[in-house]
Order: sequence, then C-alpha cells, then structure tokens
Amino acid sequence: SQKIEQNSEALNIQEGKTATLTCNYTNYSPAYLQWYRQDPGRGPVFLLLIRENEKEKRKERLKVTFDTTLKQSLFHITASQPADSATYLCALDMRGGATNKLIFGTGTLLAVQP
Amino acid sequence: DTAVSQTPKYLVTQMGNDKSIKCEQNLGHDTMYWYKQDSKKFLKIMFSYNNKELIINETVPNRFSPKSPDKAHLNLHINSLELGDSAVYFCASSQTRGSDTQYFGPGTRLTVL
Repeated sequence: SQKIEQNSEALNIQEGKTATLTCNYTNYSPAYLQWYRQDPGRGPVFLLLIRENEKEKRKERLKVTFDTTLKQSLFHITASQPADSATYLCALDMRGGATNKLIFGTGTLLAVQP
Repeated sequence: DTAVSQTPKYLVTQMGNDKSIKCEQNLGHDTMYWYKQDSKKFLKIMFSYNNKELIINETVPNRFSPKSPDKAHLNLHINSLELGDSAVYFCASSQTRGSDTQYFGPGTRLTVL
C-alpha cells in the first residue's frame, strides 16, 4: 500500500540545536518533494521544494535532502529558535499531465525550548 | 492584503443540513484546490479547478460539490452533512496547474453535531 510517514512523535529540542525531521514514503515515485510549515489555526505555508535529481537544497537555516533510492527526505533547521515551533508537513509532488497534486504526510510537531 | 481567503472561519451545523464554504484568491492564479484536514491533522486533496475546469476529483462522496464561478473563486457545497464531515477545510491556489507552490487559505473549521 502507499504510505507517507513522518516522525510519529513530537520532536522537542533546545534552542540553538539542529532539528532533523524525516519523511519516508513507500510505493510512490514523486518527481518532487515539498515541505510546508503549519501553525495552529492556520493554513500550511510553503518552505522548500526539491527535485528528484537534486540531492540537497538550502534556504537560509533550512536544508532539505531527497534520496529517491531510500525513498526518504530529511528536513533540517539549524540554529533552531522557539519561533520555529510548528507542525512541518512533507508533501509528495505527483505531477501527472502537468497537474500538481500534493500527497501530504501526517506532519511532525516541532517544539523548540528556550 | 489577504491572498487566499475563506468564509466562514467556523461553521457549526446539524447533521442532515446543507452548507457552503466560499474561497477567493486575489493572486491572479489559474488553479484552485480544496483540501480536508481531519482530526489527526492528515491533509488530503479533494478537488482542483484550473480556469473553472475540474481537473482533480478525488474519491469524495457526491454530497460534496465544488463550484467555480470564475477563476478567482472556488466554493464548496456540502449536502446532507454527516458527523464524519467534521474537519478543517482548506482552500489553496497556485499560479498554474503545474506550479511548484500552493498558497493556502486560513481554513474553515466545520463541526457537524
């Protein structure tokens, strides 16, 4: 069966440390993978997209890796801050017929302690 | 300026009623989407419209009917509401049907009693 799994538990880390979130999938072949941030009571906000031929993508303190052999993406936040506390969603970008259909994971709740 | 807006933000109603949720985007995008996020925070696509044409129609009960009067608006009408319809419904838009980024609205929390 097709599955997308993210860290099942909430992730608690100390301010200043690097947070690493995982996204594993089975029986999908996405061309792209996206990461979104969702704050309580709000809609998801796009953070980063990585293509299947890219190993790594960076944006400020964020870094994403994409291993299509392992069927895994890792999302890193370096020098984490309490303001980074939120739920982070990975989404497989299934493009068929040029239609962008996102399949979301269940999300990981990140709590950064001051 | 709000990019993607939804009304109402909260909707509480009885089983069996019919209700609508409205969505508008002022980004000039061609493509709009409806998602459902259940109590476990799982976000799942329901429908997508591109320039008023339905392009994604997931396995959704036919009690749910999207309508796009123009490319800036995508409304969701739900007939004969059931308890299991309780969720947060998000509208989103993207520049084109093949665009990288989707922009989400603030969500509508529907509670069916």
